[in-house]
Amino acid sequence: DTAVSQTPKYLVTQMGNDKSIKCEQNLGHDTMYWYKQDSKKFLKIMFSYNNKELIINETVPNRFSPKSPDKAHLNLHINSLELGDSAVYFCASSQDYGPRQPQHFGDGTRLSIL
Amino acid sequence: DQQVKQNSPSLSVQEGRISILNCDYTNSMFDYFLWYKKYPAEGPTFLISISSIKDKNEDGRFTVFLNKSAKHLSLHIVPSQPGDSAVYFCAGAGNMLTFGGGTRLMVKP
Repeated sequence: DTAVSQTPKYLVTQMGNDKSIKCEQNLGHDTMYWYKQDSKKFLKIMFSYNNKELIINETVPNRFSPKSPDKAHLNLHINSLELGDSAVYFCASSQDYGPRQPQHFGDGTRLSIL
Repeated sequence: DQQVKQNSPSLSVQEGRISILNCDYTNSMFDYFLWYKKYPAEGPTFLISISSIKDKNEDGRFTVFLNKSAKHLSLHIVPSQPGDSAVYFCAGAGNMLTFGGGTRLMVKP
C-alpha cells in the first residue's frame, strides 16, 4: 500500500502550457506539503495545508496554485510553465502541523519543460 | 542563503565501518533537527531526529549528535551496510523545515 502517491511520475511539456500534479495520502494525516527539489538538489517547501487550509505559502510565483479538496488530497496546478519550473516536485504529509513532525514523502514528479 | 549546509557532497565507506555525515546550520531559531534518507527515484524517508535540548539521540545503528555552540550536527551509522547507500538530508525545524543539499553515502561491500 502506497502511503503518499503522486501522479504522474514524469511530466514532459512545452513552455507556456498548464499542468497539474495530483497527490493523495492514505495515512489519515492532517497536514500535506509540496516541495520543489531544484537542480542543486535542495528541497524547498512551497506550500503547506492543514485540514484543507493553507498554512505556508513560500515565495512561490502565483502561477502555482495548490488545491486541497479534502484532507487526503493536495493537488498542484501550474499555469504558463517556464523553463525554470523544471524540477522534481515532492508531495509529503505529516500527522499534525509542525516542522518537528516526521513527514512522509511521495516518490516525486519529475517535470521537464521543453 | 543556505541556512543548512552539508559540505560533503559524497562519502565512501567500507562495509562494517562507521559512516559520519556532517551538517552545519546558521539559523539560531532551529529547535529541532531531522535526518532523512533518500534512495534514487524515491521520496525521502524519515530516519532520526533530535531536539535542541539534547546533545545525542540513538536509534539502533544510527546516532545523531548535536553541538549547539558550534551549530553543528552529525549522523553516525555503525556498522555501515551496503543498504545504507543513499543520499542523506539534514533538516532544521524553525517555523518550517529547511533542508540541506544532501550527502551521497556509498557503502562498499
